[in-house]
Amino acid sequence: DAKTTQPNSMESNEEEPVHLPCNHSTISGTDYIHWYRQLPSQGPEYVIHGLTSNVNNRMASLAIAEDRKSSTLILHRATLRDAAVYYCILDRGSTLGRLYFGRGTQLTVWP
Amino acid sequence: KAGVTQTPRYLIKTRGQQVTLSCSPISGHRSVSWYQQTPGQGLQFLFEYFSETQRNKGNFPGRFSGRQFSNSRSEMNVSTLELGDSALYLCASSLGTGFGTDTQYFGPGTRLTVL
Repeated sequence: DAKTTQPNSMESNEEEPVHLPCNHSTISGTDYIHWYRQLPSQGPEYVIHGLTSNVNNRMASLAIAEDRKSSTLILHRATLRDAAVYYCILDRGSTLGRLYFGRGTQLTVWP
Repeated sequence: KAGVTQTPRYLIKTRGQQVTLSCSPISGHRSVSWYQQTPGQGLQFLFEYFSETQRNKGNFPGRFSGRQFSNSRSEMNVSTLELGDSALYLCASSLGTGFGTDTQYFGPGTRLTVL
């Protein structure tokens, strides 16, 4: 399984931007970078994914370093509902349903 | 579009019993993956089914098994339950394309407690 490294925890205030980092120094050329998050008492939910270029959707933005060895998930304005564990995952397609979640980053949002 | 559903949501069993959990994927999804989540080990992959065939399997003992039906619904079975099997069991469905862009959609999970 391709490994990623994330900080154990981060904190933010409500309505402030949040930058969640992820290191994946052993990423291969065919690995897509996925982010999922898990809210308390729920199953994980998909947030965003990308390959080389930065990506935006209604939930977040994904900034990918030029060498692809790191990426950052950006929540533009954190809300209390964004408090969750965020997982950065590499998927090269051959994983056949097997995603390696790691420990993720526990994001705390203060009102 | 309806999401992934899992039944039952909660289960209490005793050691030595067996249990069957059910997962209904999103319509049109042919792949179902199962995960076990515990505080100590986090999310761990159990197995994946695609078109009624197991394509991938994690590092769990043979007491954990599964199957998938022609309508893509899936069941997992745990026999001879042990205390350590207490966990949240999650299933996820996807198109199963085998491409890195495939997204998994998770159900709410079944909370299994073994006494």
